[in-house]
Amino acid sequence: KNQVEQSPQSLIILEGKNCTLQCNYTVSPFSNLRWYKQDTGRGPVSLTIMTFSENTKSNGRYTATLDADTKQSSLHITASQLSDSASYICVVSDRGSTLGRLYFGRGTQLTVWP
Amino acid sequence: EADIYQTPRYLVIGTGKKITLECSQTMGHDKMYWYQQDPGMELHLIHYSYGVNSTEKGDLSSESTVSRIRTEHFPLTLESARPSHTSQYLCASTTLREGGDQETQYFGPGTRLLVL
Repeated sequence: KNQVEQSPQSLIILEGKNCTLQCNYTVSPFSNLRWYKQDTGRGPVSLTIMTFSENTKSNGRYTATLDADTKQSSLHITASQLSDSASYICVVSDRGSTLGRLYFGRGTQLTVWP
Repeated sequence: EADIYQTPRYLVIGTGKKITLECSQTMGHDKMYWYQQDPGMELHLIHYSYGVNSTEKGDLSSESTVSRIRTEHFPLTLESARPSHTSQYLCASTTLREGGDQETQYFGPGTRLLVL
C-alpha cells in the first residue's frame, strides 16, 4: 500500500533553534518528493521538489534531503523564526498512472516560540 | 504568490442547502484539483480536471460535483449539504507539460465549510 508517514506529528522549538522533520514513504514507482508549508487556514505552498537523482535541495533556511534507497526524506530548518510556525507536508508523486498521483502525509505541526 | 482564488473563505450553512464553492486561477493552468482536508489529516483528492469539459472523480468518494466550462474556473457544488460535509476544501492548479515530473501544484487559500 502506497503511504507517506511523517514524524513527529507535532514539534515545539524555541526561536533561533534548528529542527529536522522526517518523511518515510512506501510509494512505488517513485517520481518526485515535495515538501509544502501550510499556514493555518491557508493552502499549502511548495518549498522544495526533488526527483530520484537529487539528494539535497535548499530553499533559503529550508534544506530537504532524499534517500531514494531507504525511501526517506528530511526537511531541516535552520535558525527558526516565528513565521516558520506551520504544518509541513511531505508529498510523493508516482508515475504509475497518467495522473501522476500524489500521496500526502498528514504533516508535522511546527510551533516556534519566542 | 500563486494567482489562484477561492470564495467564500468561510461558509456556515444549514443542512439541505445547495452550495457552490468557487475556484479560479489566472495562470492559464490546464490541470485543476479539489482536495478535502480535515484538521490534522492529509489532503484527499475528490475531483480533478485536465482541461475544459474534462472532469474526473478523485480517490475519496464525494457527493459533490464539479464543472469545467472555462479553463480558469473550476467550481464545486454540493446539491444538499450535510454535517458530514464539514471540512476544508482546497483548490489547486498546475500546468500540463510533456513528461511533467517537476510540475508544482499551486493551492488556493481554501474554503472552510461548516454545515449545521
